[in-house]
Order: sequence, then structure tokens, then C-alpha cells
Amino acid sequence: GAVVSQHPSWVICKSGTSVKIECRSLDFQATTMFWYRQFPKQSLMLMATSNEGSKATYEQGVEKDKFLINHASLTLSTLTVTSAHPEDSSFYICSASSGSYNEQFFGPGTRLTVL
Amino acid sequence: GENVEQHPSTLSVQEGDSAVIKCTYSDSASNYFPWYKQELGKGPQLIIDIRSNVGEKKDQRIAVTLNKTAKHFSLHITETQPEDSAVYFCAASKSNTGKLIFGQGTTLQVKP
Repeated sequence: GAVVSQHPSWVICKSGTSVKIECRSLDFQATTMFWYRQFPKQSLMLMATSNEGSKATYEQGVEKDKFLINHASLTLSTLTVTSAHPEDSSFYICSASSGSYNEQFFGPGTRLTVL
Repeated sequence: GENVEQHPSTLSVQEGDSAVIKCTYSDSASNYFPWYKQELGKGPQLIIDIRSNVGEKKDQRIAVTLNKTAKHFSLHITETQPEDSAVYFCAASKSNTGKLIFGQGTTLQVKP
């Protein structure tokens, strides 16, 4: 149980375009989903927290107009990187929580490369 | 702000030896401490966790200890195997936010 999927697993796009990443909890209802960014050889940095049906809460320094998060259902959250630039190239990872005991279950990640 | 320090950053052991990774957290309200294993190009995988009402937890070759007074927690892997080679992250969170604060990671290499 507690499986989280992400789609796509990797994406290459041109500078200035927008990219959408999906995060799904496959076998449980995720009241909260988290989005992280990880640069090579670094730790995970939390970008935002989203609760189903409400606006996401962004961490300091993360531009909410650039990283649009939608948590429309208890099993799906999306992250849209708008007007992507090469510095947005990174490994984006989502996690999902049912609210029980703080446990978070992570997706496999999405490798974004902006040319 | 909240902070988690993790040491060492790299650890190389011989197959069969034990490996210990240590973390220190700053927020005394933290009450949940998971450990994750991340293989190259993959998402983190929860390997063990501990809550603040417990001092030690063991699952086969893996154990975690927690010292709330000192705000330290450690991961112990016994009888290491080459497939244990990966990056390990500790994290801490508290109930009111659920946000995980990650340590910097430890690259563990188990030599056959």
C-alpha cells in the first residue's frame, strides 16, 4: 500500500514553455501533498504544501506565480512550472500524506531539463 | 528556523560491517523522525521511522535511536550489504505542520 506515482518521469522542454507534473496517490486518499525540488547531490527542499480543495502554502523564496500547484482531488495534485528557464532544471518530487501520524509517501520523481 | 544536521556526508564501509549515521534537530517540538533511502534517479523510500514517545526501534538489520533531551537521532545498519549503498536522509517534523525538514544526506558505500 501507500503508492504514489508521478508523471512524467522525465521531461525536456524549451525555455519559456510551461510544464505540468502530476502526482497521484494510488491506494489512499491524500489530504495533503507536498512538492520538493532536489538539485544534484543536494537534499530535498520543500517548495509547497497543498491541501485538497484549498490554496497551496509556499515556502519562503518559492514564487507561487511560477510554480502553480493544484490539488483538485484527494488523489491528484499537479505542479505547473510556468515560463521555464534553464535554472528550473531539477528533480521534482512529490509526497502524499493521509494525515496519519505525519507519514509521507514519496513519488519516484520527475527529471525536468529546460534547454 | 528549523534545522536538521546530518553527519557524516559520506561513509564507506566493508560488507558485513555496521554503519551509523547521526542527525541533530533544532526544534524541540519535533515528534516524528523518519529515515529515507534514495537510490540514484529515484524518489526517497521510507526505511524506518520513530516517534518521540519511543527511544529505539528496530526492523531486522536497521535500527533507529532517539535522544529527545539531546535532540539527536541515529540510524544503525548492521551486516551491511552492497545493495545498502545509496544516499540516506534523516528528517524531522512536528504534528501541527507535518512538514519534513531534511538533513543534508549521507552517501553510503558498501564495498564487497
